[in-house]
Amino acid sequence: DTEVTQTPKHLVMGMTNKKSLKCEQHMGHRAMYWYKQKAKKPPELMFVYSYEKLSINESVPSRFSPECPNSSLLNLHLHALQPEDSALYLCASSPPVGVGEAFFGQGTRLTVV
Amino acid sequence: GENVEQHPSTLSVQEGDSAVIKCTYSDSASNYFPWYKQELGKGPQLIIDIRSNVGEKKDQRIAVTLNKTAKHFSLHITETQPEDSAVYFCAASEGQNDYKLSFGAGTTVTVRA
Repeated sequence: DTEVTQTPKHLVMGMTNKKSLKCEQHMGHRAMYWYKQKAKKPPELMFVYSYEKLSINESVPSRFSPECPNSSLLNLHLHALQPEDSALYLCASSPPVGVGEAFFGQGTRLTVV
Repeated sequence: GENVEQHPSTLSVQEGDSAVIKCTYSDSASNYFPWYKQELGKGPQLIIDIRSNVGEKKDQRIAVTLNKTAKHFSLHITETQPEDSAVYFCAASEGQNDYKLSFGAGTTVTVRA
């Protein structure tokens, strides 16, 4: 299994809503990532978890809250988002940090209205 | 931090011809250089990568070359096929940390049948 699975595929939420994005991998990877990608732009790193601990936060606003319940799961909790937060949110995983390539999921297309 | 520049931004080739995409990077400590292919509505897919101790790597129709002295690396696709049409991103590790990648702006490749 070389897949990173993200749910939901699409999400529309209001600015006062609370929602969560989910990511799962069963490759035994110990590093997991959240990226944000705007249309026609490259992915931008948001967070990195290494061995279930947050190791990088790229100065992301607190309305985005990551969580890593175990080595296979990664969540991104969303609250009070703005329309400009609409984007494709990508999850990725890789072997222990600094060792190998990152595999990306299909992404969640988020629209904030 | 790392700065990655990618050229061209768009590339149109006749089926069967070769396609070449070039990237330059700024951080001489970078040691990991992956290439990703992203099809419409999908997440980026790793297609080939190279580390700084190697000058060239090939996988069937795809090859990557790295010139560490000049700080540039290139993707070569031979015998292009319509299914090669996609956006291609180069990336470079920030320093020697594989987990933090800086991406190029992307190249939209169109293969004409």
